[in-house]
Amino acid sequence: DAGVIQSPRHEVTEMGQEVTLRCKPISGHNSLFWYRQTMMRGLELLIYFNNNVPIDDSGMPEDRFSAKMPNASFSTLKIQPSEPRDSAVYFCASSPTSTGNTIYFGEGSWLTVV
Amino acid sequence: GENVEQHPSTLSVQEGDSAVIKCTYSDSASNYFPWYKQELGKRPQLIIDIRSNVGEKKDQRIAVTLNKTAKHFSLHITETQPEDSAVYFCAASREGQNFVFGPGTRLSVLP
Repeated sequence: DAGVIQSPRHEVTEMGQEVTLRCKPISGHNSLFWYRQTMMRGLELLIYFNNNVPIDDSGMPEDRFSAKMPNASFSTLKIQPSEPRDSAVYFCASSPTSTGNTIYFGEGSWLTVV
Repeated sequence: GENVEQHPSTLSVQEGDSAVIKCTYSDSASNYFPWYKQELGKRPQLIIDIRSNVGEKKDQRIAVTLNKTAKHFSLHITETQPEDSAVYFCAASREGQNFVFGPGTRLSVLP
């Protein structure tokens, strides 16, 4: 298996632009997680899906952030409009079940908003 | 909700010495405790995990211990090597709740 696949790997965008991050979970995994990592705040869970349904989005910073999972093999995290403080590494991860099992991270999307 | 604390935040050891990282959690219902290693510029990767029905687990130079009564678990790395230098994260999880990660420990193994 190719593992969790994320795109883009790196993105530099101007403040105010829309950013869309994409994720393909490991085939057969029914839980998907979006994390944000910064030096100051560490690994923060933004949202997670179970069987394509959002279960907990309490970590989504504000209305500028939205996430979708239209099917079992694809998810997006969108930031609109982007701000410099959104600069971070965004990791997507998947798991065979939502809890009690290892989660596997993608390689991350490195976002810089200037 | 669950709260995971991790200590120390940074740790430097001489090559060949042992390293110990400790975590505490708040939710007594948590029953799965993984440890992840993240090298610079890379993704976090699972190195070892333990479930609440086990008190200790070992895999070569790495071991994890769990004390459910005290709600803490620890990572032990013996005979440290330069390639062990990384950030290590603990996490806690239980049925019906997502993973909660600790803030991480930056381990430096000095040659």
